Amino acid sequence: EVQMVQSGAEVKKPGESLKISCKGSGYIFSDYWVAWVRQMPDKPLEWVGLFNPGDSRTRYSPSFQGHVIISGDKSVTTAYLQWSSLEASDTAIYYCARHKTNSNMYDYWGQGTPVTVSS
Amino acid sequence: DIQLTQSPSFLSASVGDRVTITCRAGQGISNWLAWFQQHPGKAPKLLIYTASSLQSGVPSRFSGSGSGTEFTLTISNLQPEDSATYYCQQLYSDLHSFGQGTKLEIK
Repeated sequence: EVQMVQSGAEVKKPGESLKISCKGSGYIFSDYWVAWVRQMPDKPLEWVGLFNPGDSRTRYSPSFQGHVIISGDKSVTTAYLQWSSLEASDTAIYYCARHKTNSNMYDYWGQGTPVTVSS
Repeated sequence: DIQLTQSPSFLSASVGDRVTITCRAGQGISNWLAWFQQHPGKAPKLLIYTASSLQSGVPSRFSGSGSGTEFTLTISNLQPEDSATYYCQQLYSDLHSFGQGTKLEIK
């Protein structure tokens, strides 16, 4: 059974760093890109970027480029989304999803990681 | 970024009705469009991919059509559990953007 399991809720202060994770299981992790999607409170979904576990390639939305880093470790079948200096506007739920390349679709999603940034 | 515009933003309908949601792309995206359903507090769920392919396990009352710049999601025989927000997503470019969402209320 394919699963994407994300790390738990985080509460941080502005300026702090954070790394959240998404562990894929039930499939060959290196064969599928992993996407990250942001949803701010009562707002629509926003595409953050993609990570290729096979060769570590990444793609970023211009809106997020330079503010977050997407990475992963195929040895532990986990993708990461990290910030070096959080802002209050980073408060949101972050979802990861598996990108099935041959059908070009996001077929399995994580449960979401709520991130709250507040002083 | 390829912009996606959904209409309407809000829709109210009754059980048994048929509704249509439209998604317009700022440029041609062939058939690289997906539709998602999201209930409050839950992760999005894939309904339709490549514009008209029904994802496994999704009821057949959901259907998608379109190509190029204009796409539709149709839900027939509305059920109470269809009350949710619906998003389109383009996967034509390297940057996979979403529409702004359509909130469907069941009266």
